Amino acid sequence: GNSVTQMEGPVTLSEEAFLTINCTYTATGYPSLFWYVQYPGEGLQLLLKATKADDKGSNKGFEATYRKETTSFHLEKGSVQVSDSAVYFCALSAGGGSQGNLIFGKGTKLSVKP
Amino acid sequence: DTAVSQTPKYLVTQMGNDKSIKCEQNLGHDTMYWYKQDSKKFLKIMFSYNNKELIINETVPNRFSPKSPDKAHLNLHINSLELGDSAVYFCASSPLGTGELFFGEGSRLTVL
Repeated sequence: GNSVTQMEGPVTLSEEAFLTINCTYTATGYPSLFWYVQYPGEGLQLLLKATKADDKGSNKGFEATYRKETTSFHLEKGSVQVSDSAVYFCALSAGGGSQGNLIFGKGTKLSVKP
Repeated sequence: DTAVSQTPKYLVTQMGNDKSIKCEQNLGHDTMYWYKQDSKKFLKIMFSYNNKELIINETVPNRFSPKSPDKAHLNLHINSLELGDSAVYFCASSPLGTGELFFGEGSRLTVL
């Protein structure tokens, strides 16, 4: 079946450090891939997405590239800020984006220290 | 204006009670969802409605009953609450065909 695996947290970084959160997926067909972010006490917000192989999603300094050959969608940011502290979820939509039945990874908590 | 709003935000109740959580979206989306987030932050879809019709019903006890009076509202009613129902319940909506979800702030249910 379809599934998403992301690195276990928590991840603790100093401000301005480089961030990578790994995400790999298993899916039939050609899923769309997403990163969502959940700030403390809030609901999830879409951070970025990619709908086909080699697409790069980017937003707020975060980037992720859809790699079909390695079935990965790793999240990166060159210089994190304290305000980036949150839980990050990788997700896939097996319907190629046609359905919202997103399958989420277990989330990775990021803490950025000043 | 809040795009997806849920009430109540917090709910503390005793085992065996019946409770409801309401959700409204003002984004004009056709599709709405209920997700459950457990204490380890794991998110799992429970139900999905498209234009008031049920389209996804995951393996959820039949004590949980969603109701969509119109496409802007999706309520969740839970009968005979159990300790294991304690979680944060998120409502979400999406435009048809995008897979992009807009989430409410969540309703934290605690069953004692």
